[in-house]
Amino acid sequence: SQQGEEDPQALSIQEGENATMNCSYKTSINNLQWYRQNSGRGLVHLILIRSNEREKHSGRLRVTLDTSKKSSSLLITASRAADTASYFCATDDAETSGSRLTFGEGTQLTVNP
Amino acid sequence: ETGVTQSPTHLIKTRGQQVTLRCSSQSGHNTVSWYQQALGQGPQFIFQYYREEENGRGNFPPRFSGLQFPNYSSELNVNALELDDSALYLCASSRGPKGQPQHFGDGTRLSIL
Repeated sequence: SQQGEEDPQALSIQEGENATMNCSYKTSINNLQWYRQNSGRGLVHLILIRSNEREKHSGRLRVTLDTSKKSSSLLITASRAADTASYFCATDDAETSGSRLTFGEGTQLTVNP
Repeated sequence: ETGVTQSPTHLIKTRGQQVTLRCSSQSGHNTVSWYQQALGQGPQFIFQYYREEENGRGNFPPRFSGLQFPNYSSELNVNALELDDSALYLCASSRGPKGQPQHFGDGTRLSIL
């Protein structure tokens, strides 16, 4: 079953614009991770934010986490055509011993040149 | 540093057959997780292996089984294949069983006829 829900399902922007994707989840988490997937390829890890963190940056990426609202957002600034991909949030449940990541259905981002 | 590699890349089977998928973990990683990704959906957790033992399992029937070897590589076995097993099977390795980013291979595309 899918825990996370990404919003929007699809997003189309022009190069240079910012892209914001949102994720909501239901359970207590150890951490939340964002991944990118190009068509037909594996997932690439972008950023991990722990439950006691509120914001994290990595290059053009900014992730926020609000555990009281059980939500996260991924901001990609100054987007490029190469950022075109599906983006997934994945939650790492606090109650399990292993990392059984629970993924949402993803946001398909298209960056037009 | 060698990344996660999976074999084969594509596979076609018929209903009722059995299949074995293979995964070599990234150097320095001791944990392997397997995911099933149906077309247009997010990955779903199948199981995780740590120290050659199953360390958590998702909502998959017993005909999905696995192994982890002393070199941390892993196999996913699926018996009595069904049409709904058609999917991209992703392997991910990590430095530990909990709280770590997961590094994915490009997957095995399994088609059931």
